[in-house]
Amino acid sequence: QSVLTQPPSVSGAPGQRVTMSCTGNRSNIGAGYDVHWYQQLPGTAPKVLIYGNTNRPSGVPDRFSGAKSGTSGSLAITGLQTEDEADYYCQSYDSTLSRVVFGGGTKLTV
Amino acid sequence: EVQLLESGGALVQPGGSLRVSCAASGFTFGSYAMSWVRQAPGKGLEWVSTISGGGGSTHFADSVKGRFTISRDSSKNTVYLQMNSLRAEDTALYYCARRNSAMMGFFFDYWGQGTLVTVSS
Repeated sequence: QSVLTQPPSVSGAPGQRVTMSCTGNRSNIGAGYDVHWYQQLPGTAPKVLIYGNTNRPSGVPDRFSGAKSGTSGSLAITGLQTEDEADYYCQSYDSTLSRVVFGGGTKLTV
Repeated sequence: EVQLLESGGALVQPGGSLRVSCAASGFTFGSYAMSWVRQAPGKGLEWVSTISGGGGSTHFADSVKGRFTISRDSSKNTVYLQMNSLRAEDTALYYCARRNSAMMGFFFDYWGQGTLVTVSS
């Protein structure tokens, strides 16, 4: 049971927009800790996609965007491409557990 | 270019020990905390341990506390994870990751390719 809750799967057609959620509580996201997102393509290591709720590292297309509100974060992908098919994980910090916490991951099917 | 290269993964019997390593390059090693994150087959990501840039502070997940230790050698730009009393549930791909700071909290900005640890008789 992950501390952060993500939907197991989302899907969309090429060119469409999808969003995925990451729900925490008052000890993590709701306490003000940032939400970060990672993309894990099949058979590869995770890669940071969004950090600090809304920031994209250089090289990440602006089709990817992040947001945070209350006890939840969200990742939006516009102009879906087949190469976006991957697992997406959110991550934050939990003050009660005093450790980094991950969501269980969302599998995106395009 | 930042590079993290893990090594040392192997098949180990339950109750056994193993040390995995992560050689870092392309950045000022001592300026960053380093972490291990694992992923069991077909499962999600689980933070395992973090060591501060100077090596004086370490943190562990409850699932490995008392069994795993983390260390770093600044002369070799390498971080180690010593795993003792290994259990079947420790079977996973172990990733080395560089920890960076956000406005509120931490994230992992670079990851290695992982090293596979299998605990089985």
